[in-house]
Amino acid sequence: AQTVTQSQPEMSVQEAETVTLSCTYDTSESDYYLFWYKQPPSRQMILVIRQEAYKQQNATENRFSVNFQKAAKSFSLKISDSQLGDAAMYFCAYRRTTGGFKTIFGAGTRLFVKA
Amino acid sequence: DAMVIQNPRYQVTQFGKPVTLSCSQTLNHNVMYWYQQKSSQAPKLLFHYYDKDFNNEADTPDNFQSRRPNTSFCFLDIRSPGLGDAAMYLCATSNRGGNAEAFFGQGTRLTVV
Repeated sequence: AQTVTQSQPEMSVQEAETVTLSCTYDTSESDYYLFWYKQPPSRQMILVIRQEAYKQQNATENRFSVNFQKAAKSFSLKISDSQLGDAAMYFCAYRRTTGGFKTIFGAGTRLFVKA
Repeated sequence: DAMVIQNPRYQVTQFGKPVTLSCSQTLNHNVMYWYQQKSSQAPKLLFHYYDKDFNNEADTPDNFQSRRPNTSFCFLDIRSPGLGDAAMYLCATSNRGGNAEAFFGQGTRLTVV
């Protein structure tokens, strides 16, 4: 069974600085999707960034980038130039590309941004 | 805008009294999910539909049922809510192909009194 592990329950960053959130996962599949989702307080969960396992190039979306290490089964999220609006719960998630549609989430990391 | 809509946003029910939560989508996605999320924990998948094909998680209690009468709507029925069922319930959709992203509704916060 696939599992997703986020070992940092909370992280804190100063506004305008950079922070990295960690995620590891376990799977026997060779192709899959990895995601980072953001859940602001009392607001709906939204996609931050997505990575397809067969792509070696790390995904980037504006201030958000990932470090995808397939052999190590590691998928960290880097937030550059942190803003107050980045404060939220961040969930790492996994989904297979074939044979099912389950999206499995890690326990989440709560990010605090200090002004 | 195309979206996932959950009603109601807040639901209070009595212990043991059946309750239904609803979800609708305008994205025309094949897959619809119900997640239970407690107090800043990871969303826990209860079940999902691929079109009308229902997939129950092995550890989802029998107390939880679901219906998907058509592509757009999906319902979560809790037959006899207990205090432990108080949580945020999230509905999400995704497509079979494409970018596989899940689109979430705003959730229904269920309180059991």
